[in-house]
Amino acid sequence: ETGVTQSPTHLIKTRGQQVTLRCSSQSGHNTVSWYQQALGQGPQFIFQYYREEENGRGNFPPRFSGLQFPNYSSELNVNALELDDSALYLCASSFDQTPLFFGPGTRLTVL
Amino acid sequence: SQQGEEDPQALSIQEGENATMNCSYKTSINNLQWYRQNSGRGLVHLILIRSNEREKHSGRLRVTLDTSKKSSSLLITASRAADTASYFCATVGNDYKLSFGAGTTVTVRA
Repeated sequence: ETGVTQSPTHLIKTRGQQVTLRCSSQSGHNTVSWYQQALGQGPQFIFQYYREEENGRGNFPPRFSGLQFPNYSSELNVNALELDDSALYLCASSFDQTPLFFGPGTRLTVL
Repeated sequence: SQQGEEDPQALSIQEGENATMNCSYKTSINNLQWYRQNSGRGLVHLILIRSNEREKHSGRLRVTLDTSKKSSSLLITASRAADTASYFCATVGNDYKLSFGAGTTVTVRA
């Protein structure tokens, strides 16, 4: 078990709604990354925050946004949910970017 | 899009046997990492191999890297039921972002 925690564990939303997922980084880590993992696929990089600044973004639309707080915890916000947003969302923290320590994930279902 | 591709997609072996899976990638890398995932939960980091390294060991794991062929392999020796999981390779470029493959699902039969 890593020291990375995520909440909630599971979430059900309807199309068009907004969702906020939370992540608490492992102690001492200054970098947090978010990944989306569709069923049967590998994780896809959404974005990364380093010392509260976004320093990289994958191929995801602007309705995916995030924050990293001074205590290095983080949020992922998704607006205008679509059915294809249904996935496991993984948060990972690290000290100076690599390797990553992953949380258990949040399973999002969009109906 | 995913940088790495694992082969095979699925693997079933008897307890005690060795399991080998391969990863191919397309662009130059800073390092390559292997992760394990149990039943759709969080990923666990197994091993990191840098672009100037050719082989690395960690317990029952052996990883090789051939940058000329843009490929890596993960060998698990003397497999156990607890090794049943999905295994992912992830490449890291100069931007330090991980790009994962689709994974290999390993089933170890008792």
